[in-house]
Amino acid sequence: QKEVEQDPGPLSVPEGAIVSLNCTYSNSAFQYFMWYRQYSRKGPELLMYTYSSGNKEDGRFTAQVDKSSKYISLFIRDSQPSDSATYLCAMSGNTGNQFYFGTGTSLTVIP
Amino acid sequence: NAGVTQTPKFRVLKTGQSMTLLCAQDMNHEYMYWYRQDPGMGLRLIHYSVGEGTTAKGEVPDGYNVSRLKKQNFLLGLESAAPSQTSVYFCASSYYAYNEQFFGPGTRLTVL
Repeated sequence: QKEVEQDPGPLSVPEGAIVSLNCTYSNSAFQYFMWYRQYSRKGPELLMYTYSSGNKEDGRFTAQVDKSSKYISLFIRDSQPSDSATYLCAMSGNTGNQFYFGTGTSLTVIP
Repeated sequence: NAGVTQTPKFRVLKTGQSMTLLCAQDMNHEYMYWYRQDPGMGLRLIHYSVGEGTTAKGEVPDGYNVSRLKKQNFLLGLESAAPSQTSVYFCASSYYAYNEQFFGPGTRLTVL
């Protein structure tokens, strides 16, 4: 079983739609949860960083963590064509030296 | 701050050739990582370092070697390149093991 599972998509939505991206994980020791955005032919860049359970909002982006279900989500409101990218979830625990990344979900926002 | 930089950006090798990829960071991070990214496989950790002079194996270390002689630099070496090593290579760094990682722009390597 993979540490982190992420639906690869692709996901295609019209401009202005609400987008929901999700990851599930198996390791209950994970405490830190991240979402990265990766544009084509670029390196991943950090979008959201959360610790433990709960919600975090930053502009049009909201990250949710449900540790009881081992499930994290990223919501994008009022999606824009500039949001078209691959979104990777990532997580780690308090100890150990490895991050675990999802395989990424490809999103296209159609004008 | 330049953040994380990688050289070269592109490279084409013939099977059996060797090369070194250089990663540099100016954020005084202790942790540095080398990943490869292949379609449908996501990011896979090759090697990582928890500080100057230290290295450790990741998920896919075979065929690669690394060195961290200076805190700001992390080198990835391919001694005898194989077509299976055709990939995009990313370097990343972080303050601690559980902090967010900052990525470089990547190196596109093709092995013929």
